[in-house]
Amino acid sequence: AQSVTQLGSHVSVSEGALVLLRCNYSSSVPPYLFWYVQYPNQGLQLLLKYTSAATLVKGINGFEAEFKKSETSFHLTKPSAHMSDAAEYFCAVSVDTGRRALTFGSGTRLQVQP
Amino acid sequence: NAGVTQTPKFQVLKTGQSMTLQCAQDMNHEYMSWYRQDPGMGLRLIHYSVGAGITDQGEVPNGYNVSRSTTEDFPLRLLSAAPSQTSVYFCASTQTSGTGGNYGYTFGSGTRLTVV
Repeated sequence: AQSVTQLGSHVSVSEGALVLLRCNYSSSVPPYLFWYVQYPNQGLQLLLKYTSAATLVKGINGFEAEFKKSETSFHLTKPSAHMSDAAEYFCAVSVDTGRRALTFGSGTRLQVQP
Repeated sequence: NAGVTQTPKFQVLKTGQSMTLQCAQDMNHEYMSWYRQDPGMGLRLIHYSVGAGITDQGEVPNGYNVSRSTTEDFPLRLLSAAPSQTSVYFCASTQTSGTGGNYGYTFGSGTRLTVV
């Protein structure tokens, strides 16, 4: 079975500063990894996904993530935070079986200070 | 396209009452699933379906029933609501064809359920 650990339930950065949200995964088979963002009282929106084509994945809104197999990590970064980035971010893992289930981390709430 | 539509958006139930959360998608996705979201726990899989007539349990299935009579609809039933089922419920769908993770999950906007 696969699992995801997100380090830090709350992260606070200043506007313009680097955003780094950490995600480590566990999987016995090659994983597919996703980052989702959730704005208050809304559903989940896909930011980016790793599907083994390239280890550095670029997503929407200037976010990117790097898959590091040796570290079992898939950290999310953005060079310069914007106030509109304030939201909750979820890392998720899936494997290539018929179940297609996503296993989510517990989430990281990002605060952006002016 | 509407994507994944969930109704209702909000619901308050009394303990012991039953209700059905509706989920419909218009993308001809074979795979549909229900998650619940609780603070500090992320989203957890309740039930899923890989096609009409086929359902299976996820991580937290107790207290919930599902059925899949059509490709489009995947309702979630609470037979006897309990306060522990207070949560936000999300329906999600994706195609089952294709490999390599090149499938995209589409989430509904959620149903916020309170059981008192």
